[in-house]
Amino acid sequence: DIVLTQSPDSLAVSLGERATINCKSSQSVFYSPFNKDYVAWYQQKPGQPPKLLIYWASTRESGVPDRFSGSGSGTDFTLTISSLQAEDVAVYYCQQYFSLPVTFGQGTKVEIK
Amino acid sequence: QITLKESGPTLVKPTQTLTLTCTFSGFSLTTNGVGVGWIRQPPGKALEWLAVIYWNDDKRYSPSLKNRLTITRDTSTTQVVLTMTNVDPIDTATYYCAHRPPWQWLENNWFDAWGQGALVTVSS
Repeated sequence: DIVLTQSPDSLAVSLGERATINCKSSQSVFYSPFNKDYVAWYQQKPGQPPKLLIYWASTRESGVPDRFSGSGSGTDFTLTISSLQAEDVAVYYCQQYFSLPVTFGQGTKVEIK
Repeated sequence: QITLKESGPTLVKPTQTLTLTCTFSGFSLTTNGVGVGWIRQPPGKALEWLAVIYWNDDKRYSPSLKNRLTITRDTSTTQVVLTMTNVDPIDTATYYCAHRPPWQWLENNWFDAWGQGALVTVSS
């Protein structure tokens, strides 16, 4: 199974500041014939289901604010919130879909400083 | 608009069989490339993928739970059913069903719409 390790486990950021979450995969999730990285990012607010933010490592889901961006390739990926808003307080998960079984990172909790 | 909703028992005794139903709308499970998956989340813990069923009735399971899981669909309705046998308190979790967007290759599964989840407690 592909293991995803997120860092940090939690972070506190001031409103309007940048938040950066990392996700490291135990093996490459890049598929060269399609030139794609098979990583998604989800946001989960308390008491709610996960919400898809990013797929193909950097493609923003429709309706997701452009302050959310994904980057990286191969084994190292990053979710960036460029200007943290109060409504962004949540736990964020990365997921690989390069191969089965689907696996998720352990989650990163984002709070307001 | 795609919506999904999970239903099933809130309390199950150890060794019993758990049956969860996902009722969905806004898409057809016969559309090429589409799938419905199940993912669970123990209280305060991370997400764990369980199973997925595809438009062509193919199925995939988590290797660690494969012997206990069965996923089926009812093409005459808009429902997907997950059964888990021989449950244990460690299976206590919120169980989500989710929509897999159209993609040709079965090995690749991400989820763009989720149900609200069903909390299932396993306890005697």
